Parts: sequence; C-alpha cells; structure tokens
Amino acid sequence: GENVEQHPSTLSVQEGDSAVIKCTYSDSASNYFPWYKQELGKRPQLIIDIRSNVGEKKDQRIAVTLNKTAKHFSLHITETQPEDSAVYFCAALDDSGAGSYQLTFGKGTKLSVIP
Amino acid sequence: DTEVTQTPKHLVMGMTNKKSLKCEQHMGHRAMYWYKQKAKKPPELMFVYSYEKLSINESVPSRFSPECPNSSLLNLHLHALQPEDSALYLCASSQEIVGTAYTRELFFGEGSRLTVL
Repeated sequence: GENVEQHPSTLSVQEGDSAVIKCTYSDSASNYFPWYKQELGKRPQLIIDIRSNVGEKKDQRIAVTLNKTAKHFSLHITETQPEDSAVYFCAALDDSGAGSYQLTFGKGTKLSVIP
Repeated sequence: DTEVTQTPKHLVMGMTNKKSLKCEQHMGHRAMYWYKQKAKKPPELMFVYSYEKLSINESVPSRFSPECPNSSLLNLHLHALQPEDSALYLCASSQEIVGTAYTRELFFGEGSRLTVL
C-alpha cells in the first residue's frame, strides 16, 4: 500500500516569512496529491491539490510542487500570516480506478506563525 | 449549503453504553465517510458508503456499526466501546467516491469528540 512521509512535524516561522512542508510517497501509481489544513479544534479543509500531469500549482500565497520522478511534493506558503497557524496534512491517492479509493495521509505538520 | 453537520459535538459514555453519532449533508454528495482522529495524528479511514452501500470497511471492530439510512444521512452506532476508542470522529462527504474522475475533495464535518470512561 501507499506510505506518505511528511516533514517537518513542527515548523515555526516569523510572520511574513515563507514556510515549506515536504512529503514523499511510495506508490508510483499515486497521481492525486491534496493538502488539508486543520486549525485547532476545527475540521480538516482542502486548501490546494495537484495532479501528476502538472508540476506546479498556485493559489494566491499557496503553491504546491510535484516531482513524480523523485516521488515528492511540497507545500509552499509565502508571506505567512498568524491565521496560517494550523496543522497541515499532505495526502496521496491513486485515482486511476485501479487503486483503493483511499487517501493516505501524512502524519501532519504543525505550523506556528509568530507575529 | 456546503456543510457537513455532525451531532453530538461531544459525547461521554461508559463501556456498557449504546450511543450513536449522526452526520448529515445536503450537498447531493453520494459518498460518505467515517474517519477516526486521535490527537496530533492524521484522520484514519473507518468506513466508506457509496450510493448508500458500504464500499469500504477498514477492519474496524464490530463495536462500531455504520448505517446509511439515505443519501443525506450517515450514522455510527457505538456499543461496548473501550477507553482507547476515545477520539474525534469525523464524518466526510464527497460528490462521488474519492478516486473517480469526477471528484476528489472531501468535505469534513466538525467532528464528534468521544470520551469512553
């Protein structure tokens, strides 16, 4: 089955700085990679996702990059703000129809943005 | 309405009790999920319903019993739980089962925080 490793487990940055969270996956058939944000006591929410036919995707201050050869993908947050403080989960999925329809989550990164 | 609503928000039960968690969505989604989340851990998939039929059961103990009465409702019946079952139980839905070409995004509810004494 798929295994997703996520680093770092905790990350502290000064407000305005950039934050980068990295994930690696094991199953070369995985082709969909979402990122979920979970604020303290709240539900996980999808913030950005990428498919394997795309190398990079941006949405305002958030970007995700994917290197399929190396089997890793990263979340980049620029100009961080205190409201970016949360736990971020990466995930991987094979949605070709041959997979199990299960998202495999990384263990999460607790991001703290210091004002 | 882009909400997945879960009740109750908090539940405390003894090991001999029987209780139920409820989940409702009115987005017309045809796939619904139960996840279990322990503190500082990612969500773990328990069950998946697609078109009101159980599609995936991740080897969950029989003391957890899911039910999907209709396309908008999902229940999780709890009986004879153990203290290690204490966790946040998240319901989620998606347009179709995650992994098809039509949809990928999971919409989560706020969860039911369960404490087993």
